[in-house]
Amino acid sequence: QVQLVESGGGVVQPGGSLRLSCTASGFSFTTYAMHWVRQAPGKGLEWVAVIWNNVSDKRFADSVKGRFTISRDDSKNTVYLQMNSLTAEDTAVYFCARDLDYYDDTGYYRELDYWGQGTLVTVSS
Amino acid sequence: SSELTQDPAVSVALGQTVRITCRGDSLRTSYASWFRQKPGQAPVLVIYAKNNRPSGVPDRFSASSSGNTASLTIIGAQAEDEADYYCNSRDSSGNPRLFGGGTKLTVL
Repeated sequence: QVQLVESGGGVVQPGGSLRLSCTASGFSFTTYAMHWVRQAPGKGLEWVAVIWNNVSDKRFADSVKGRFTISRDDSKNTVYLQMNSLTAEDTAVYFCARDLDYYDDTGYYRELDYWGQGTLVTVSS
Repeated sequence: SSELTQDPAVSVALGQTVRITCRGDSLRTSYASWFRQKPGQAPVLVIYAKNNRPSGVPDRFSASSSGNTASLTIIGAQAEDEADYYCNSRDSSGNPRLFGGGTKLTVL
């Protein structure tokens, strides 16, 4: 079955860096784009970044652009989120999610169909 | 605007019907998917591709859309449906990056 397991969260001081990992199993990782979505304590979901399976195409939310990078290692079935210059506003549970895209007779669809359990990042002095 | 707006909270009596709505300009050109999230858990996709249910999601869940509004309807709400519900839409490039603020559903 499809599994996504995040790791790397923890407590970091403002201005610090952290790298999150999301290791996938149960599907052909190389054929899927992968996302990071975060959720601040008591708040809603906020999309963070996506990396396509061609690796060259990546997109970021304005709130993290220039500070976060996303990468993947298909040999390890793992997607990474490198977070730099962290602030208190980055405190959140970070989820990775699989991007299922397909065509059917009604159109083209992209769905965040499987999510990991998340890893908590706390930015605090 | 890329914002999606949801009512913060909705309640429904056990066994009754409830509709959760999501409004935003992106819904005029793209469809909505819906997620359910229970406390301490990851979001779970309950409606995809406009009005399809993943395996394991009860058929009391359905979705519809008109203009700039998408709706999730639960017919015969059960206690286990109590959760936060999020709508999700796509930007002009098709990236599913837009989320509503979430609706907390209480089953009375």
